[in-house]
Amino acid sequence: KAGVTQTPRYLIKTRGQQVTLSCSPISGHRSVSWYQQTPGQGLQFLFEYFSETQRNKGNFPGRFSGRQFSNSRSEMNVSTLELGDSALYLCASSFLQGLEAFFGQGTRLTVV
Amino acid sequence: GIQVEQSPPDLILQEGANSTLRCNFSDSVNNLQWFHQNPWGQLINLFYIPSGTKQNGRLSATTVATERYSLLYISSSQTTDSGVYFCAVSNFGNEKLTFGTGTRLTIIP
Repeated sequence: KAGVTQTPRYLIKTRGQQVTLSCSPISGHRSVSWYQQTPGQGLQFLFEYFSETQRNKGNFPGRFSGRQFSNSRSEMNVSTLELGDSALYLCASSFLQGLEAFFGQGTRLTVV
Repeated sequence: GIQVEQSPPDLILQEGANSTLRCNFSDSVNNLQWFHQNPWGQLINLFYIPSGTKQNGRLSATTVATERYSLLYISSSQTTDSGVYFCAVSNFGNEKLTFGTGTRLTIIP
């Protein structure tokens, strides 16, 4: 069974641009969560979607947004990129909220 | 929100040694997972263990939910065990995962 797939794997963007990251969960999983990992802040929760509804949101500015489609695939968008947005973005899926989460390989975003 | 502390922050061992990593959490949990982050950044699932004991080869884990801690044991360490180990928890009504700061394990040949 295929795991969680994130695209692209690597991305370089310029300050002020916007970016969209994609996550395809494990087949049958309906909960998708996003996390940001930086050396200074560690792994931090961004948001969680279940059945196309955002159920939980972390403490990030409104420039960070996301959505989930009817096939459970999810996208996150970051607008007006800042240097501090450079990070590894990880997506996780689980069958239901609170059950075992499985992570994708991540998207490494560099903002220059 | 729930707090997660991992210890030790760094651990350097000879190949073949055993190690114990600890995760303390500040509230009752409905999910506790141990992950190994590989050099490319992916979090590899080791255990889903909100309570009890599990074993998988050279690795085992125990969570004592009433005392709010979990332990990850690695026996007969190999160089491929090197990397960062994370504990993550979630609790009822707030099912986002909260991660500890990790334990960086280095196995020397």
